[in-house]
Amino acid sequence: NAGVTQTPKFQVLKTGQSMTLQCAQDMNHNSMYWYRQDPGMGLRLIYYSASEGTTDKGEVPNGYNVSRLNKREFSLRLESAAPSQTSVYFCASSERSGANVLTFGAGSRLTVL
Amino acid sequence: GDSVTQMEGPVTLSEEACLTINCTYTATGYPSLFWYVQYPGEGLQLLLKATKADDKGSNKGFEATYRKETTSFHLEKGSVQVSDSAVYFCALSEHSNYQLIWGAGTKLIIKP
Repeated sequence: NAGVTQTPKFQVLKTGQSMTLQCAQDMNHNSMYWYRQDPGMGLRLIYYSASEGTTDKGEVPNGYNVSRLNKREFSLRLESAAPSQTSVYFCASSERSGANVLTFGAGSRLTVL
Repeated sequence: GDSVTQMEGPVTLSEEACLTINCTYTATGYPSLFWYVQYPGEGLQLLLKATKADDKGSNKGFEATYRKETTSFHLEKGSVQVSDSAVYFCALSEHSNYQLIWGAGTKLIIKP
C-alpha cells in the first residue's frame, strides 16, 4: 500500500534551472495538493486540484506551475528556480475537495543555489 | 483572516511525563480542528480531529478538546514515549472553503 509517492526525495538546483516534482497516489482520491514547508511557517498551499481536469492556485503559487496528468498524478514544475524556492515540498491527496483528512507523501527536499 | 497559533518548540520532556501542546485559533465561523503529526523523515499524518464545539478527538493516547469559549484545541497526553518524538501541527478548516490553515508546528523531543 504505497499511498502517496513523491519523486525525487532530494534535489539540488542552480538558480534559473527548471525541474518537475512528480506525485502519484494509488487510493483513487479525487483531490490532490502541493504544499511547501519552511521552518517556523507551517505548511503553505501552492496549488491544488479538486478533481481530475481542474487546478487552482493556493496561497503561494508564484513561480510554480502544476499539471493534473490524470486522476493518479499531479506534478509541480519550477520553470526558473530561485533560492527562495529552497524548501521541503509535500504532495497530498484526499477523497474529495473539502475532505480535510489528507494523506501526505514523504516529501521532497529542494535546494536552490 | 483565519489563523492558527501554536506554542513554539522544541518541547523536551522525559519519558512518561505529561504533555500539553497549546493551540489557539482565530476564525470567522465554526471551523473543524485537526492535529497532524510528522515523524522524522516522513510526511504528515492525521492524529485526531474535532468538528464542533466540546468534541474531543483522541488517538494513540493523545486527546484534544474543541473549546469554543477559549478558541483553543490543546493536545494532551498523560505519559509520553520516546516514539512520540515528532513535529505536531495544529490546523483548522472553515466549512465554507475547506482549505486547511496550518500552525507553524511544534517539535517534541522525548528523552529516555
